[in-house]
Amino acid sequence: EIVLTQSPGTLSLSPGERATLSCRASQSVSSSYLAWYQQKPGQAPRLLIYGASSRATGIPDRFSGSGSGTDFTLTISRLEPEDFAVYYCQQYGSSGRTFGQGTKVEIK
Amino acid sequence: QVQLVESGGGLVKPGGSLRLSCAASGFTFSDYYMSWIRQAPGKGLEWVSYISSSSSYTNYADSVKGRFTISRDNAKNSLYLQMNSLRAEDTAVYYCARSRHGADDYWGQGTLVTVSS
Repeated sequence: EIVLTQSPGTLSLSPGERATLSCRASQSVSSSYLAWYQQKPGQAPRLLIYGASSRATGIPDRFSGSGSGTDFTLTISRLEPEDFAVYYCQQYGSSGRTFGQGTKVEIK
Repeated sequence: QVQLVESGGGLVKPGGSLRLSCAASGFTFSDYYMSWIRQAPGKGLEWVSYISSSSSYTNYADSVKGRFTISRDNAKNSLYLQMNSLRAEDTAVYYCARSRHGADDYWGQGTLVTVSS
């Protein structure tokens, strides 16, 4: 099973700042089958990025994904008030799927 | 628009069984893999299972293998999760999700399963 480790656990930033979230895999994620999700309290997760760098339908271009192999990054170029939430990475390249433990982006 | 509506959650005793359902609409259900993902109270997301579009292939997390069974009825646009031998650690909100290119692009609002005596 591929283990995904996200860092930091919590990111305290102000609106307008840049957020950089990391997701590290215990072994290489095949074909960059890495996705990022956003979850707000009381809501279902929302797909942001798939294939490591492709934005899902309707996702603003301030969200971008990069990386390959074992190291992946989600960048939010300028935080909007609605972006404060928990973010999860997920790999779907191996026979099973796994999620990271999440990074909370909170208002500083 | 794509809609996924889960049902069947509730309170069940340890060792008991429960069957979750997910009603899909707004897309051609038979074209897509479907997944179940759960989230224990205050915790992160845990993938549970997925099923191929024609039901020919299923896969499960080790934590539920042998106890849970995923299935679907393409004629009814419905996804199911049969959960047997339930444990306290199975307590969670269970989400169904549509899978596209392997990622889960639409999610339902979830149904709460509580396993407690």
